[in-house]
Amino acid sequence: DSGVTQTPKHLITATGQRVTLRCSPRSGDLSVYWYQQSLDQGLQFLIQYYNGEERAKGNILERFSAQQFPDLHSELNLSSLELGDSALYFCASSVGLAGGLGEQFFGPGTRLTVL
Amino acid sequence: EDQVTQSPEALRLQEGESSSLNCSYTVSGLRGLFWYRQDPGKGPEFLFTLYSAGEEKEKERLKATLTKKESFLHITAPKPEDSATYLCAVQARIQGAQKLVFGQGTRLTINP
Repeated sequence: DSGVTQTPKHLITATGQRVTLRCSPRSGDLSVYWYQQSLDQGLQFLIQYYNGEERAKGNILERFSAQQFPDLHSELNLSSLELGDSALYFCASSVGLAGGLGEQFFGPGTRLTVL
Repeated sequence: EDQVTQSPEALRLQEGESSSLNCSYTVSGLRGLFWYRQDPGKGPEFLFTLYSAGEEKEKERLKATLTKKESFLHITAPKPEDSATYLCAVQARIQGAQKLVFGQGTRLTINP
């Protein structure tokens, strides 16, 4: 158990809908990262927040947005969903910028299926 | 462009048969190379961080090494429970920010 929690575990929805994925980082971790993993694309970095502020962006679509709240939990919002958005979405956390960007601890993921 | 290439894509071994997984990278100014293990349907589990050429790290039957162009994950006398996908990632500075770039992974199967 990494200490990172994600909800829900599974999500099935229809095209055009909007969903919200939730992540609670490990206790004491200030950085939260979101990743998308699909069979053909592998693990793709989407966005990073550090102590409530956006720090880095990856291949995140404009239909997707995220935020980190004062209690450090984070939410990833996916809107106008398309079939191609079906994937595993992972949240990861780390101590912070000075603590080593790479030693990230991943949650169990949310499996999103868009029908 | 920063890239990470892992080989082979898949590897089947018999229990006790040692082997190595490769991770080749091209990145301007390596800040760190990371190995993760991922079981089906689960999140990646952190294994090692390597920062400079010549560095080695060990954990049970796994040993990771780093050169200027690639990293190897050596598996000695593997057991069936070592079956998983092993991911390599490099820390790269992209568009002004530090990010992790992952390889596609090597799917390792250890047969009893």
